Amino acid sequence: DSGVTQTPKHLITATGQRVTLRCSPRSGDLSVYWYQQSLDQGLQFLIHYYNGEERAKGNILERFSAQQFPDLHSELNLSSLELGDSALYFCASSVVGGGPTDTQYFGPGTRLTVL
Amino acid sequence: KNQVEQSPQSLIILEGKNCTLQCNYTVSPFSNLRWYKQDTGRGPVSLTIMTFSENTKSNGRYTATLDADTKQSSLHITASQLSDSASYICVVSHSNDYKLSFGAGTTVTVRA
Repeated sequence: DSGVTQTPKHLITATGQRVTLRCSPRSGDLSVYWYQQSLDQGLQFLIHYYNGEERAKGNILERFSAQQFPDLHSELNLSSLELGDSALYFCASSVVGGGPTDTQYFGPGTRLTVL
Repeated sequence: KNQVEQSPQSLIILEGKNCTLQCNYTVSPFSNLRWYKQDTGRGPVSLTIMTFSENTKSNGRYTATLDADTKQSSLHITASQLSDSASYICVVSHSNDYKLSFGAGTTVTVRA
């Protein structure tokens, strides 16, 4: 158990809908990262937040948005869902964010299925 | 073109044997390179982290090497076990903007 929690574990929805994925980082970690992993694909970095502020953006679609709240939990909002958005969405947290000794701890993931 | 290339894409080895996975990157400027192990359907777990000044880092039966001049890294698995069956992912961190570039991973299958 990494100490990072993600909810829900599974999510099934229809095209065009909007969903929110939630992540609680490990106690004391200030950074939260979001990743997408499609079937048989590698991990795609979406976005990184540090202490409530956006620090880096990866291949995140405009239909997707994220935020980190004062209590450091984070939410990833996916809207106008398409079939291709079906994937595993991972959240990771780290103490600082990007340093050479800053290990990321991954949550168990949320499996999103868009029908 | 992906800035992090891993090879081979997959490999099968017999239990007890050794294997080496490769990672070539073009990320520059470079901050650090990480190797992760990901079991199917689970989140990745960090194995090693190396900065540009480090040549090697070990974690049990896993040994990572780094040549920052040639921009190559390898992960060596010694005396493989069935539990080593997983995807191994090379991740390179940019030093300017904290972005991470991920390789596509090497899938290792260990057979009894």
